[in-house]
Amino acid sequence: NAGVTQTPKFRVLKTGQSMTLLCAQDMNHEYMYWYRQDPGMGLRLIHYSVGEGTTAKGEVPDGYNVSRLKKQNFLLGLESAAPSQTSVYFCAVGLAAVEQYFGPGTRLTVT
Amino acid sequence: AQRVTQPEKLLSVFKGAPVELKCNYSYSGSPELFWYVQYSRQRLQLLLRHISRESIKGFTADLNKGETSFHLKKPFAQEEDSAMYYCALSGGSGYSTLTFGKGTMLLVSP
Repeated sequence: NAGVTQTPKFRVLKTGQSMTLLCAQDMNHEYMYWYRQDPGMGLRLIHYSVGEGTTAKGEVPDGYNVSRLKKQNFLLGLESAAPSQTSVYFCAVGLAAVEQYFGPGTRLTVT
Repeated sequence: AQRVTQPEKLLSVFKGAPVELKCNYSYSGSPELFWYVQYSRQRLQLLLRHISRESIKGFTADLNKGETSFHLKKPFAQEEDSAMYYCALSGGSGYSTLTFGKGTMLLVSP
């Protein structure tokens, strides 16, 4: 029972490159979220999903896309990475906002 | 719009001293408030929520709707309490999302 896992743990990209971050859960929760954590900014919601096949924008969605083709997976894509997207990305799953369970994070550096 | 304000970036106290981490919110409806904690090299995890009115690891928080505050308190800080603490609010989007404050780093010295 792994809970919430994120792949990869670390990544370095050059400006303009693309990548996909994977969040996987074995908790059978409907809600999944992607956040970014930046120093002095706290956690900011990028996109979220309230169920398989659904996605919605959060506070800072620009430059990111997401997909939820399977209930257990939530993908975050960067089509053309920019240095401003250097951050730590956290996935979370939960029972709406009642309680969210976080993944270990992905540290992304864009040079 | 909903907003969560944590006015202190860093709070440094000595072991055994009382701790109060401040959280103020802005929301026109009936919010649900939470405190999350992130210990060094660990995942963010829920510490407590106002609706359960419970004490976790000696911490308590009371929702004060008049002052729109949800301060986190502990009477006697321990070194293992050192961590980043985030206050969070749920209200909009059908209570399906959380809005986090910027966080307060608590350092407890021996």
